[in-house]
Amino acid sequence: SYVLTQPPSVSVAPGQTARIACGENNIGTKSVHWYQQRPGQAPVLVIYFDSDRPSGIPERFSGSNSGNTATLTISRVDAGDEADYYCQVWDSSSDHVIFGGGTKLTVL
Amino acid sequence: EAQLVESGGGLVQTGWSLRLSCAASGFTFNDYAMHWVRQAPGKGLEWVSGISWNSGSIRYADSVRGRFIISRDNAKNSLYLQMNFLSGEDTALYYCAKDTNSLEMASPFDSWGQGTLVTVSS
Repeated sequence: SYVLTQPPSVSVAPGQTARIACGENNIGTKSVHWYQQRPGQAPVLVIYFDSDRPSGIPERFSGSNSGNTATLTISRVDAGDEADYYCQVWDSSSDHVIFGGGTKLTVL
Repeated sequence: EAQLVESGGGLVQTGWSLRLSCAASGFTFNDYAMHWVRQAPGKGLEWVSGISWNSGSIRYADSVRGRFIISRDNAKNSLYLQMNFLSGEDTALYYCAKDTNSLEMASPFDSWGQGTLVTVSS
């Protein structure tokens, strides 16, 4: 079955750039979506179809997808970005929606 | 703005059944596929099931297939999840989520409810 691998945690200082990876064989052939989930809140879509940004999401959030890794990049990180981040794909071979295990972003 | 409100969660015993509901407003409900996603305490997101706009296409995660049934009533702007033969592994916060497309395929989920908690006790 298709499994999306994310690092459990990423730490970054305020003002720096955070990069969160989502890995799987040939993920570059799929469309990847990213969600932010702050503590006690529902997930929020922050990037869709690899690199598109919904209205209301800051330009500091960007995405890329190639080869075996999709990446969510958050520039000029601030304390408000502390959250869990999840990648998501559709696996056509199983007809399932797949979520990555999630990455906890800590702002030092 | 889309709003989704889940209800129906609660504390049940192993083997029991429960029916979750999701009331939708703020968008044309019958234009979009809908999903249920759950999150066990302290764990990540797990997709449970998805249903197309007209109920013509339905998908389930392997962990719930044969026990859970997703359905929708477009006249009532409502999504449902009938959960049977519940076990402790089903304990989770259950979210209703709106797809951005009419079919439950590769599209993202752009609106989520706040969830309803299901606790299964032995």
